[in-house]
Amino acid sequence: DARVTQTPRHKVTEMGQEVTMRCQPILGHNTVFWYRQTMMQGLELLAYFRNRAPLDDSGMPKDRFSAEMPDATLATLKIQPSEPRDSAVYFCASGVGTGDTGELFFGEGSRLTVL
Amino acid sequence: SQQGEEDPQALSIQEGENATMNCSYKTSINNLQWYRQNSGRGLVHLILIRSNEREKHSGRLRVTLDTSKKSSSLLITASRAADTASYFCATEGISNYQLIWGAGTKLIIKP
Repeated sequence: DARVTQTPRHKVTEMGQEVTMRCQPILGHNTVFWYRQTMMQGLELLAYFRNRAPLDDSGMPKDRFSAEMPDATLATLKIQPSEPRDSAVYFCASGVGTGDTGELFFGEGSRLTVL
Repeated sequence: SQQGEEDPQALSIQEGENATMNCSYKTSINNLQWYRQNSGRGLVHLILIRSNEREKHSGRLRVTLDTSKKSSSLLITASRAADTASYFCATEGISNYQLIWGAGTKLIIKP
């Protein structure tokens, strides 16, 4: 049963600490999205990769956030230094982007709490 | 940025009744998608309807799209307790790969 895998599922950290979230997209998918979900803002796009190339990270605070895809089986989202306002659920989603974006498959999310 | 706006924000109905949720958007689209999110879980894709389609069915789900009114509706027939979840619409623009998400409708099915 193919699924997007995210780790960690839960993370509690102190302000100023580095946080790294990992995502394993579904094998064969060529698009990867990182989203942040909060009650106030809903779903916000942070980064988008197609064939491992970053195409859009305009939604990401560049001074503290970075997203990479070191290989086709791993996408990472890093926050350094973390701040309390980064507390949210971070979702990774993958898809087969042929032309339009199409259906996305989401992971279960990483719930981050920054104290 | 949010393009889709779901209506209502929350809906509570009895099991067995039909549930209708609406989504409005602002710009021309390639397709519109509906997703479900159970509490504490990731989003699950339900159905995709393209701009040249008017209606689509999947099991107990029926989606309509009216591009002239820039709106879509999701109908869940014969609701079950397991349908309790938040439902989101997402639109893909013509020249933009991005999915623009609505704020969601929280659906509660009372047994």
